[in-house]
Amino acid sequence: GAGVSQTPSNKVTEKGKYVELRCDPISGHTALYWYRQSLGQGPEFLIYFQGTGAADDSGLPNDRFFAVRPEGSVSTLKIQRTERGDSAVYLCASSLSSTGRPNEQFFGPGTRLTVL
Amino acid sequence: AQTVTQSQPEMSVQEAETVTLSCTYDTSESDYYLFWYKQPPSRQMILVIRQEAYKQQNATENRFSVNFQKAAKSFSLKISDSQLGDAAMYFCAYRSPGTYKYIFGTGTRLKVLA
Repeated sequence: GAGVSQTPSNKVTEKGKYVELRCDPISGHTALYWYRQSLGQGPEFLIYFQGTGAADDSGLPNDRFFAVRPEGSVSTLKIQRTERGDSAVYLCASSLSSTGRPNEQFFGPGTRLTVL
Repeated sequence: AQTVTQSQPEMSVQEAETVTLSCTYDTSESDYYLFWYKQPPSRQMILVIRQEAYKQQNATENRFSVNFQKAAKSFSLKISDSQLGDAAMYFCAYRSPGTYKYIFGTGTRLKVLA
């Protein structure tokens, strides 16, 4: 079947604008993660969904960042009033339920966000 | 808080040779999970191998194996018979059993020379 997909693959925006990044997980995967990867760094955890609910949003850097997963499948990461420091690759990953022993995460190709 | 350190920003290996990538971590927990991920230029991360801390036996997956030294908090990845397709960024990651958060190191870029 299809893997994790993310749209758009690249997004260029201006400082202060609002952006939405979309993630389509593998069908049947209840767990969904968002990460941010800055240049030369490893992925940084942002938020984890189990089904429709955010089980852990402790990685969101501030209240400009918000994510939803209303039907337990597609997720959208929303960034308000973007800043140049938000420029990074945003990765999404999904897995079977992540409670207990962790199942393998399958990553999407990421969205490269550039804030001018 | 847990941390993961990869002290080798870049490594090179001749095709068909063996290379070892280093990873150390800091934790006060006794049970946890460790992972190695590969990220090729396409950006799509792929799980290479995983190790559960309560298992003493080192994990192996074909040409990939780990040297897990729990007391030393070390988790190195050995790639045998290196192939051109192994060229990528490699990330070491840690996860506690009671959380969903993965902590990644800064990565090691592996170059494979023909």
